[in-house]
Amino acid sequence: DQQVKQNSPSLSVQEGRISILNCDYTNSMFDYFLWYKKYPAEGPTFLISISSIKDKNEDGRFTVFLNKSAKHLSLHIVPSQPGDSAVYFCAAGARNNAGNMLTFGGGTRLMVKP
Amino acid sequence: KAGVTQTPRYLIKTRGQQVTLSCSPISGHRSVSWYQQTPGQGLQFLFEYFSETQRNKGNFPGRFSGRQFSNSRSEMNVSTLELGDSALYLCASSLLATSYEQYFGPGTRLTVT
Repeated sequence: DQQVKQNSPSLSVQEGRISILNCDYTNSMFDYFLWYKKYPAEGPTFLISISSIKDKNEDGRFTVFLNKSAKHLSLHIVPSQPGDSAVYFCAAGARNNAGNMLTFGGGTRLMVKP
Repeated sequence: KAGVTQTPRYLIKTRGQQVTLSCSPISGHRSVSWYQQTPGQGLQFLFEYFSETQRNKGNFPGRFSGRQFSNSRSEMNVSTLELGDSALYLCASSLLATSYEQYFGPGTRLTVT
């Protein structure tokens, strides 16, 4: 049972345009959400996060939107650059009695064409 | 500040053997988590350690084990290797027990033949 899903395995965008990556979740206990970027042969790099008490968080070209009623979050990259080409993972966090846990989606490969 | 380091970076083993992977977290970070990434899959959570105690464990067989030392360095062990264990194994550290942000190492690419 996948609690965090990224339904688009890949996305192709022209340089300078907006990239929108989507993520859906099923567990209402998730209270924190993160996006990571991963280049080949490297570990994931933390990009941006959002707490469940907010619906938007912005950091430079990256904005994350959270729609709790729809259990949906999205990452907007504006403007997209060729260096943004990578695999993007969304992750959701929940606290349990033992501590914090992150659950990752399957990833979306973003290709930004010059 | 140095990032998360993992050794070795690449490893080739034969079915039935065992393997130990090592992770050194960012200095001052006390929580270490391990993930498995296979082609076409996201990151599958293996386990998490904080102050030498395993706090959470993912849905993996008992062949997968780990530990954390007093200096926060961590090791994971896979015994009786199977072909399906071929994967990228990622270690991540976070500062506090309450931190959600995790910082990843480059991973160890394990190939089982």
